[in-house]
Amino acid sequence: QVQLQESGPGLVKPLQTLSLTCTVSGGSITRDGYYWSWIRQAPGKGLEFIGRVYTTGATDSSPALKSRVTMSIDTAKKQFSLKVTSVTAADTAIYYCARVRTTVVDSHYYMDVWGKGTTVVVSS
Amino acid sequence: DIQMTQSPSSLSASVGDRVIITCRASQSVGYHLSWYQFKVGTAPKLLIYAASNLPAAGPSRFRGSGAGTNFTLAISSLQPDDFATYYCQQSHTDLPTFGQGTKVEIK
Repeated sequence: QVQLQESGPGLVKPLQTLSLTCTVSGGSITRDGYYWSWIRQAPGKGLEFIGRVYTTGATDSSPALKSRVTMSIDTAKKQFSLKVTSVTAADTAIYYCARVRTTVVDSHYYMDVWGKGTTVVVSS
Repeated sequence: DIQMTQSPSSLSASVGDRVIITCRASQSVGYHLSWYQFKVGTAPKLLIYAASNLPAAGPSRFRGSGAGTNFTLAISSLQPDDFATYYCQQSHTDLPTFGQGTKVEIK
């Protein structure tokens, strides 16, 4: 079955750029009816949606992070990526990638496969 | 943004107990509600989608119900593997939002 694995540096200095990659295995990254998302959870905080990337390369991100977030997809490598610029301690979190299933009927969407998450600490 | 509020924030229960977790939305989300299970060190798992639908191969002891602003996740007979944190999430808008989580602990 489809599995996701996040990778990237666990420590990032303040004001630098956080870069993460999610690798898809066991299935297609271009399957119809699916797209890919990033979610994070800061220590002691709730889950926060970061953004989504479609197989076309189109992206959509949370208004709260939009100015600092860039996402991309490499279908040949079966990977999608997240960059967050000008990070601060508030960006310290567990970062998850997820596959999102969409349905035409009723316009439902839900995250049906998740990665285990990767911890990123912002500190000098 | 739609705010999602879960209750309780935590609960203690024994294996075999019936457990109910509620999730309330700040405005109607129709049936656009999912439930997830989070356990440390493992990939989060989708339990319920579209308020009451079980994913293929999902354990039947999990049951979702509700619509509009009030939703419930019920675990009919708690198993050792079910001690975890549970989150609801609305997908009624393009900005999905999550409840704050309910931690289910062993009594």
